[in-house]
Amino acid sequence: AQKVTQAQTEISVVEKEDVTLDCVYETRDTTYYLFWYKQPPSGELVFLIRRNSFDEQNEISGRYSWNFQKSTSSFNFTITASQVVDSAVYFCALSEAYSGGYQKVTFGTGTKLQVIP
Amino acid sequence: DTAVSQTPKYLVTQMGNDKSIKCEQNLGHDTMYWYKQDSKKFLKIMFSYNNKELIINETVPNRFSPKSPDKAHLNLHINSLELGDSAVYFCASRYRQGTEETQYFGPGTRLLVL
Repeated sequence: AQKVTQAQTEISVVEKEDVTLDCVYETRDTTYYLFWYKQPPSGELVFLIRRNSFDEQNEISGRYSWNFQKSTSSFNFTITASQVVDSAVYFCALSEAYSGGYQKVTFGTGTKLQVIP
Repeated sequence: DTAVSQTPKYLVTQMGNDKSIKCEQNLGHDTMYWYKQDSKKFLKIMFSYNNKELIINETVPNRFSPKSPDKAHLNLHINSLELGDSAVYFCASRYRQGTEETQYFGPGTRLLVL
């Protein structure tokens, strides 16, 4: 069975601090995808990244970076020099590779990040 | 131009009614999704259509039925609405090429069943 754990329910940081959001997953599949999504207070959903299970290379996009480690089944998300606009709920998700017909996607419960000016 | 649009934005209805939520994307993407976010903010994927073919079907009640008249539209029809159906429903479309993927979400439809 798939499982995604975001143990940090809420995090508060002061603006310009770095912050890491943890995501730990469980799956029996050897091929899978990992995702991060952002949901600002306004309520919309924003897709941030997808990572394939066979690609452990870290990803950097501006102030955002992702650290994927299969050895610890983690896909952590770091925001460097946080800004107030980063305040949001962040969701991690796990998806099996499509095997024809149906595919299971599991979301974590989200981490609420508050960046204090 | 709105990439992914949903109508209506708000929907208040009585138990037992049948309702539909419409979704349209003008991005030319082949894959569209429906997600549900409940009152506790838990997210769940409900359906996905790829070129009008269902490729994800989570264990949702069969009162929910996706309808895709063409690849730009993925509507969600709900029969016999129940209190527990109250949630925000998000439509999304997906672009995938090789290892690259991007998803675009609609603004959400807030459904309240009384």
